[in-house]
Amino acid sequence: ETGVTQTPRHLVMGMTNKKSLKCEQHLGHNAMYWYKQSAKKPLELMFVYSLEERVENNSVPSRFSPECPNSSHLFLHLHTLQPEDSALYLCASSRLWTSGAGDTQYFGPGTRLTVL
Amino acid sequence: DAKTTQPTSMDCAEGRAANLPCNHSTISGNEYVYWYRQIHSQGPQYIIHGLKNNETNEMASLIITEDRKSSTLILPHATLRDTAVYYCIVRVAMAGTASKLTFGTGTRLQVTL
Repeated sequence: ETGVTQTPRHLVMGMTNKKSLKCEQHLGHNAMYWYKQSAKKPLELMFVYSLEERVENNSVPSRFSPECPNSSHLFLHLHTLQPEDSALYLCASSRLWTSGAGDTQYFGPGTRLTVL
Repeated sequence: DAKTTQPTSMDCAEGRAANLPCNHSTISGNEYVYWYRQIHSQGPQYIIHGLKNNETNEMASLIITEDRKSSTLILPHATLRDTAVYYCIVRVAMAGTASKLTFGTGTRLQVTL
């Protein structure tokens, strides 16, 4: 148990559906992240939020839309996805970096997404 | 951020020390070395990080060479539960910023009886 929860754990959706992934952290962190892990590929950083502001968007298609309403919650809204978007979607949180404490990222268990 | 090179896979007998190497020959002075691991189908787990001194915590030790071009993660007494993919990541850390980790393919460590 890392203090980062993700729901749902499994999701199957059609290409015309709209769904949302939810992430919640109970660690008092002020940075949150979305990663994508496709089969046989390394984790890819998708989005970074720092103090609820998006600071990184790694060329992610617009069919993925993140939302960070407060420092404890992060959403990934999905619409008109493609089968190749099937993957494990991981959320993480951390403090902002300081020389004393560092900025260890704590990951949630992930949402296994299948797009039909 | 500097690129890292790790062996694709390694085996280790249970109870023995597991020594996982990482090459980061283009590392610059303000880049830290981080290690994470990922047990099958779970989220990655932080292990340890360092800048230039050797570091030890309850999970592992990190040995960084004097020229900082390579490092070794040591799990002193590997158990079956240490079977995972281990990622060595090098990155700049700036005060007050969010970390942006770039994961490679890592080393798949198989601990056997």
